[in-house]
Amino acid sequence: ETGVTQTPRHLVMGMTNKKSLKCEQHLGHNAMYWYKQSAKKPLELMFVYSLEERVENNSVPSRFSPECPNSSHLFLHLHTLQPEDSALYLCASASGGESDTQYFGPGTRLTVL
Amino acid sequence: GNSVTQMEGPVTLSEEAFLTINCTYTATGYPSLFWYVQYPGEGLQLLLKATKADDKGSNKGFEATYRKETTSFHLEKGSVQVSDSAVYFCALSDRRAAGNKLTFGGGTRVLVKP
Repeated sequence: ETGVTQTPRHLVMGMTNKKSLKCEQHLGHNAMYWYKQSAKKPLELMFVYSLEERVENNSVPSRFSPECPNSSHLFLHLHTLQPEDSALYLCASASGGESDTQYFGPGTRLTVL
Repeated sequence: GNSVTQMEGPVTLSEEAFLTINCTYTATGYPSLFWYVQYPGEGLQLLLKATKADDKGSNKGFEATYRKETTSFHLEKGSVQVSDSAVYFCALSDRRAAGNKLTFGGGTRVLVKP
């Protein structure tokens, strides 16, 4: 399944670094999502974009900054992260409207040292 | 608010055994229901879905029926293979919310031994 791609697949960063995660969808969808998956915790929805506008921000710390320049691309800018931010970050997209199926990318495994 | 509860794993089975993973939900309105599967080192893949009561979703030998009266969407497979070893997530979609949010259960790890 190559409908939703994420880069990089693995990222190791120090707490003072600035990095960005990239997500691209090739499905013509209008909605995009960032999720955080930590060990032994349920999937956490972080941000939702619909038609390039942020419609959901689930009390995510400001050290995570999303950007959706167009309907095909979604970024998650990271700065001054903490070790507890180490997790798998998953991007998803959906067509919106009546079809509510979300399609996920493979994720970026982030390790914060 | 919406919530999804699924049985905790890990569930360990022998090849060709019958698999059931229970999932119950709480929601206002009439959500769509999903099962996603996550293989080791990968993202989530849609396994099957059902959009209204009594609908049955099926894929790759897996089935689940949307039971409104019991608010359940249990996943079943009659004969599992080693390749079915993965984490399975039950989820519901609140179509009334902007962006069609998904609410996930905690996931059930399934290990199939040869």
